[in-house]
Amino acid sequence: QQPVQSPQAVILREGEDAVINCSSSKALYSVHWYRQKHGEAPVFLMILLKGGEQKGHEKISASFNEKKQQSSLYLTASQLSYSGTYFCGTETSGNTGKLIFGQGTTLQVKP
Amino acid sequence: GAGVSQTPSNKVTEKGKYVELRCDPISGHTALYWYRQSLGQGPEFLIYFQGTGAADDSGLPNDRFFAVRPEGSVSTLKIQRTERGDSAVYLCASSSDRDGTQYFGPGTRLLVL
Repeated sequence: QQPVQSPQAVILREGEDAVINCSSSKALYSVHWYRQKHGEAPVFLMILLKGGEQKGHEKISASFNEKKQQSSLYLTASQLSYSGTYFCGTETSGNTGKLIFGQGTTLQVKP
Repeated sequence: GAGVSQTPSNKVTEKGKYVELRCDPISGHTALYWYRQSLGQGPEFLIYFQGTGAADDSGLPNDRFFAVRPEGSVSTLKIQRTERGDSAVYLCASSSDRDGTQYFGPGTRLLVL
């Protein structure tokens, strides 16, 4: 079952914050976050394993609530380069390699 | 180092023809994945190789689709009797055993006329 992402789209001004959510109806082993710009390959952002950990680097961080089967991606003090479509990919058991991706959240950062 | 590469970058074919799409994973990566992405959608899983063997091919839509990885490195996705509905971007990704992070290639844009 495909995870559901929300919101579908968001427009920000440079410096503003955003949260993108990813919810699954199935128990999750891991959540993978990617950003994709138009016509390019998805670029890996981070992976979260079950255990409710939070990860981050620079101004992008994410959390994983295993019990709620949800993950959230936090973008703080957004930059123009953050524009793109964000996908969460979910894995329901370990070492399967099979990621099921959400439909994507389109983020546009304006000057 | 070099990332995942895919050839061709674009492929236009006619309905009913046979096509082959190639993926060169990151050197040393044992796992290789094929996904298909339609416009405005997230990548859709097709097949996953661990070494030379297909560990999970549950995403292949039908028996017109087949993939091989004979030496555990380069993989070829083969589509027989192409249909217009096969038009999409075919993405390949690879990962090492260490953490399962999948690194994607630029994709092959397939258009079936």
